[in-house]
Amino acid sequence: QSALTQPPSASGAPGQRVTIPCSGSSSNIGSNFVFWYQQLPGTAPKLLIYRHSQRPSGVPDRFSASKSDTSASLVISGLRSEDEADYYCAAWDDSLSGRVFGGGTKVTVL
Amino acid sequence: EVQLVESGGGLIQAGGSLRLSCAASGFTVSTNYMSWVRQAPGKGLEWVSVIYSGGSTYYADSVKGRFTISRDISENMVSLQMNNLRAEDTAVYYCAVSDGESLDVWGQGTTVTVSS
Repeated sequence: QSALTQPPSASGAPGQRVTIPCSGSSSNIGSNFVFWYQQLPGTAPKLLIYRHSQRPSGVPDRFSASKSDTSASLVISGLRSEDEADYYCAAWDDSLSGRVFGGGTKVTVL
Repeated sequence: EVQLVESGGGLIQAGGSLRLSCAASGFTVSTNYMSWVRQAPGKGLEWVSVIYSGGSTYYADSVKGRFTISRDISENMVSLQMNNLRAEDTAVYYCAVSDGESLDVWGQGTTVTVSS
């Protein structure tokens, strides 16, 4: 069981908006930065969001994220077929002295 | 360009040892923090270990006492020594570099299969 909780799947039609929640605790999301990763099939994960809501250069502004208390969420606006992938949230956990990942959410474009 | 190339994976019997290596280019391993993350077949990401720029190391409970992370600054490389391997250690192992912010790059991964 992952320390961060994500729904296993999410879907939407092209152009729609998809929200992926990530629930944690005071020892991880509540006190440390949240990161989001995208993993396309057969490839290594790629950083989408750092410091709760910042996008690295090259990441489209269709991807946005926020954090509130012990939860975070990733929003994909204007969904495109190339967004079909697994998405993971991550944060350092002070109690575990280690990084924790969510179980991942598979996004399907209908 | 920041690049990481893992090597050393393979098929090993339970109880055996393997040493994974991660060759870095485009940056210096001693000035950022280097992690190992694994992904079992069909499963999600699991953090394994990290070594910080100051040399501090941390491990997931699942590998503590069996795995050791180290770095060779002269070779600009990070390694993961894995002892007493178990079937549940079977996974793709990724090496990753991060500065805690926008620098966050992963290698292509190396596959470890532990047969019981």
